[in-house]
Amino acid sequence: GIQVEQSPPDLILQEGANSTLRCNFSDSVNNLQWFHQNPWGQLINLFYIPSGTKQNGRLSATTVATERYSLLYISSSQTTDSGVYFCAVFYSGGGADGLTFGKGTHLIIQP
Amino acid sequence: DTAVSQTPKYLVTQMGNDKSIKCEQNLGHDTMYWYKQDSKKFLKIMFSYNNKELIINETVPNRFSPKSPDKAHLNLHINSLELGDSAVYFCASSLGLADYEQYFGPGTRLTVT
Repeated sequence: GIQVEQSPPDLILQEGANSTLRCNFSDSVNNLQWFHQNPWGQLINLFYIPSGTKQNGRLSATTVATERYSLLYISSSQTTDSGVYFCAVFYSGGGADGLTFGKGTHLIIQP
Repeated sequence: DTAVSQTPKYLVTQMGNDKSIKCEQNLGHDTMYWYKQDSKKFLKIMFSYNNKELIINETVPNRFSPKSPDKAHLNLHINSLELGDSAVYFCASSLGLADYEQYFGPGTRLTVT
């Protein structure tokens, strides 16, 4: 099956700092999504970005499908950005058709 | 105005019991899913249900069975619960398979004692 690797696994930053999270995937994909799982466990959609660049406020994402990676940029971090960031790609195979998730980047923003 | 909802939010039960988790989406989507998040926060697809076709991840025990009374609902039934079933279960939906954004419910934390 497809492999999805995220880096770094953990990241601790001070409020106001910028960060870049990376997602590498091992095969061609039709669908790539970034999620934020907040401390209450909710999975919040950040970007649906199979290719190209998108921006939403302080967050932006870029996917280079031909090179099989995606980047999530967080600028001017706030404590509410803390949580786990997941990259997920749609993969058909191994049974169910659904998103294959990376292991996530655990981000802690300190005041 | 919740898009994807799940009930209950928490479920505590004993080994051997049978339980159900309900999922409803009001987005008009054609495809629904169930995912399992383990204690290490790893998320894995369990089922996808698209146009009345159920696709099962080969690693899911047959004690788990999704049932869809209509397009807006995909309920998860679990028989003979085991300690290892303790996890957070997420329901999700999308317009279709593959090329569509998925939206997740709030999750149901299942604890088997």
